[in-house]
Amino acid sequence: NAGVTQTPKFQVLKTGQSMTLQCAQDMNHNSMYWYRQDPGMGLRLIYYSASEGTTDKGEVPNGYNVSRLNKREFSLRLESAAPSQTSVYFCAVVGGSARGYTFGSGTRLTVV
Amino acid sequence: GQQVMQIPQYQHVQEGEDFTTYCNSSTTLSNIQWYKQRPGGHPVFLIQLVKSGEVKKQKRLTFQFGEAKKNSSLHITATQTTDVGTYFCAGPNTGFQKLVFGTGTRLLVSP
Repeated sequence: NAGVTQTPKFQVLKTGQSMTLQCAQDMNHNSMYWYRQDPGMGLRLIYYSASEGTTDKGEVPNGYNVSRLNKREFSLRLESAAPSQTSVYFCAVVGGSARGYTFGSGTRLTVV
Repeated sequence: GQQVMQIPQYQHVQEGEDFTTYCNSSTTLSNIQWYKQRPGGHPVFLIQLVKSGEVKKQKRLTFQFGEAKKNSSLHITATQTTDVGTYFCAGPNTGFQKLVFGTGTRLLVSP
């Protein structure tokens, strides 16, 4: 996905470990989002950033922190990973409502 | 909070059969969007509907937005194996540009 790049693509963590998921966009959009996807539950919003320097909680923010480093980058941090955070994490950007969201390819995280 | 439900959760059809997924919101929506996610992939934006009663077509796909702007449907005519994936509807939360996604309908097409 040329517009939104997520790293890493796969990660296995032990309970209690920390890690940061990275998201970078080259679409020059203001709004960026982090979603998690679990089987049968669709996509749930963790945090979002309407513009550089601002972040807000979404539906499921507990256990996560975010940083909007600049207009291009929006990172998601797990301070102390738990098995319940095993999921697929997607970063998304939106530049105009008629265009919808553009998603990154996702990070598949397993916490053991 | 706002909820967006989709039915069915899963459907398995033979290639050439039609398919429909329905989306229902607990609140009135200003617009509704549809996304397709291939197995192992990421969601890809298909379309946005804004007007009450709006109908839009993309080749074999027909999208409708209900008159009350609380429900929507996606109909695929004569499915093909390339239609396999999960289809999500999504509507904006009362907050700024925050989408609430439906639970998704997984479509499997057998040749």
